[in-house]
Amino acid sequence: GAGVSQSPSNKVTEKGKDVELRCDPISGHTALYWYRQRLGQGLEFLIYFQGNSAPDKSGLPSDRFSAERTGESVSTLTIQRTQQEDSAVYLCASSLAGRISYNEQFFGPGTRLTVL
Amino acid sequence: DQQVKQNSPSLSVQEGRISILNCDYTNSMFDYFLWYKKYPAEGPTFLISISSIKDKNEDGRFTVFLNKSAKHLSLHIVPSQPGDSAVYFCAATRPNFGNEKLTFGTGTRLTIIP
Repeated sequence: GAGVSQSPSNKVTEKGKDVELRCDPISGHTALYWYRQRLGQGLEFLIYFQGNSAPDKSGLPSDRFSAERTGESVSTLTIQRTQQEDSAVYLCASSLAGRISYNEQFFGPGTRLTVL
Repeated sequence: DQQVKQNSPSLSVQEGRISILNCDYTNSMFDYFLWYKKYPAEGPTFLISISSIKDKNEDGRFTVFLNKSAKHLSLHIVPSQPGDSAVYFCAATRPNFGNEKLTFGTGTRLTIIP
């Protein structure tokens, strides 16, 4: 079956521009996560959506970062006024529910963002 | 503050031998641990996990050991195969209802030598 998909796969932008990254989770998965991986570092949690609950935004590094999710479908991560330190691979994951002990997270291939 | 640490950025192992990947954590509140495998240009895929109530979990060639007193876990792969060559990430979480965000280590690149 279809896995988690992300678009674009690569994005090169100039410093100061806004970018929007898209994630299509696995159908029926109620939980959706955004992570990022900067060069030489581990994956870093950004934001979590679960159903209609208020999202957990505790991992967003600054107010330039925001994300939305419509119901239990597509999510978009927006970065405003991009900076060079935003360059990273942005990964989306989805799972059936919030309990990882019972429901593993499935990751998309990521969007590689390069800010010049 | 790196709460999950993988101190070996790379590891090379002969095909057929045992691969041992290590991971340390500092947050004693973590009570569920996972290993993910990542190939280039792909997202991480779940490999094996362990709850803090156990000290060992085995799945085929993969075994994860947890030493809670040392805040240390390890992944054993035996026998190692060329297809095991990938980056392995250790992750930890605190299962509570509604949010299972993962805290990841920096990864270990495993290379299996044919």
